[in-house]
Amino acid sequence: DAGVIQSPRHEVTEMGQEVTLRCKPISGHDYLFWYRQTMMRGLELLIYFNNNVPIDDSGMPEDRFSAKMPNASFSTLKIQPSEPRDSAVYFCASSLGAGGYTFGSGTRLTVV
Amino acid sequence: GNSVTQMEGPVTLSEEAFLTINCTYTATGYPSLFWYVQYPGEGLQLLLKATKADDKGSNKGFEATYRKETTSFHLEKGSVQVSDSAVYFCALSDLYSGGGADGLTFGKGTHLIIQP
Repeated sequence: DAGVIQSPRHEVTEMGQEVTLRCKPISGHDYLFWYRQTMMRGLELLIYFNNNVPIDDSGMPEDRFSAKMPNASFSTLKIQPSEPRDSAVYFCASSLGAGGYTFGSGTRLTVV
Repeated sequence: GNSVTQMEGPVTLSEEAFLTINCTYTATGYPSLFWYVQYPGEGLQLLLKATKADDKGSNKGFEATYRKETTSFHLEKGSVQVSDSAVYFCALSDLYSGGGADGLTFGKGTHLIIQP
């Protein structure tokens, strides 16, 4: 298995632009998680899905953030409009139940 | 709510030294406990885990024991190498909070630097 695949690896965008981050989980995994990592706040859980259904989005910082999982093999995290304080590394992870979480390599987002 | 506290870094050691990174937790249910490692520019990799009290997780010379009485899961290694330099995260997953996986709660990470 290729593991959890995230794209792009790096994204630089201007303030106010829309940003879409993508994730392909491990085939057969029924949970998908989006995390954000910053120096100040560490790793924060933004949202997670079970069988493509959003279960808990209480970590999504504000309405500018949205996430979708249209099928078992794809998820997106969208920021519209983006702001400089959104600059961070965004990780996607998937798991089969609570058995183990596999992380992608992350997307480093820079908003200028 | 759930929380994980781990020692502040950076921790700087010489090669072959003994390593301990402390981790304590607060959870409402019966959590599973994990240690993840992050190398520069990479995602998090599972290092070891323990799912119930008194379990010992081990991998690559690292080990940690789930101590329910002290709510701790300290990471240890007898002889560290330069290649162990990375950021180490303690985490928990509370299996009963939502009836299934509920996402990991992470500590803030400990940056380990091993000098030759």
